[in-house]
Amino acid sequence: GAVVSQHPSRVICKSGTSVKIECRSLDFQATTMFWYRQFPKQSLMLMATSNEGSKATYEQGVEKDKFLINHASLTLSTLTVTSAHPEDSSFYICSARGASGNTGELFFGEGSRLTVL
Amino acid sequence: AQSVAQPEDQVNVAEGNPLTVKCTYSVSGNPYLFWYVQYPNRGLQFLLKYITGDNLVKGSYGFEAEFNKSQTSFHLKKPSALVSDSALYFCAVRDNVNFNKFYFGSGTKLNVKP
Repeated sequence: GAVVSQHPSRVICKSGTSVKIECRSLDFQATTMFWYRQFPKQSLMLMATSNEGSKATYEQGVEKDKFLINHASLTLSTLTVTSAHPEDSSFYICSARGASGNTGELFFGEGSRLTVL
Repeated sequence: AQSVAQPEDQVNVAEGNPLTVKCTYSVSGNPYLFWYVQYPNRGLQFLLKYITGDNLVKGSYGFEAEFNKSQTSFHLKKPSALVSDSALYFCAVRDNVNFNKFYFGSGTKLNVKP
């Protein structure tokens, strides 16, 4: 299947700083990528849809100024958590659709665990 | 709106025994259903999907799932469980209007004991 790479896998930062997480599609081009957030022992919550060359689409309740998404190329999307606070600590996972058009499954990165002190 | 439900938080099986992880769905229109597995501190790995065709879908690592329209279910199965199958399993359904949107179940933790 398609490979999605996410970096860093773990990051610890101080409250008030910003953290950038990268998501790359390694062997295919992804015009659309997705960012999910997962709380401990819970399911995935879609945060936003990242569109190459245009603005991201955020889900209801997700602060777009807090979670900045940039999709500058067909293989790279970034999520920046701005002015991070302890409540932003979570597991963030990106994904991209495979090549099978609208019936394609999502392929996921390995996730990034953010801990804000 | 589309949704999936995983009624079991946890499933325990002995190695070598068959396993079933349950999933029921609610969709308007044709269901596009998926199973994913997640190991600790890792992303999700795709196991299998049902789009159309045979009700029994075969996937990775010996897993299969049976689509049952009358019961609106898509249970994940494996004839003989391995200890290495222990992980968190998610059922998902794709939205039929916004094809980019997937709805995930709450997850089921599978414990396979030696």
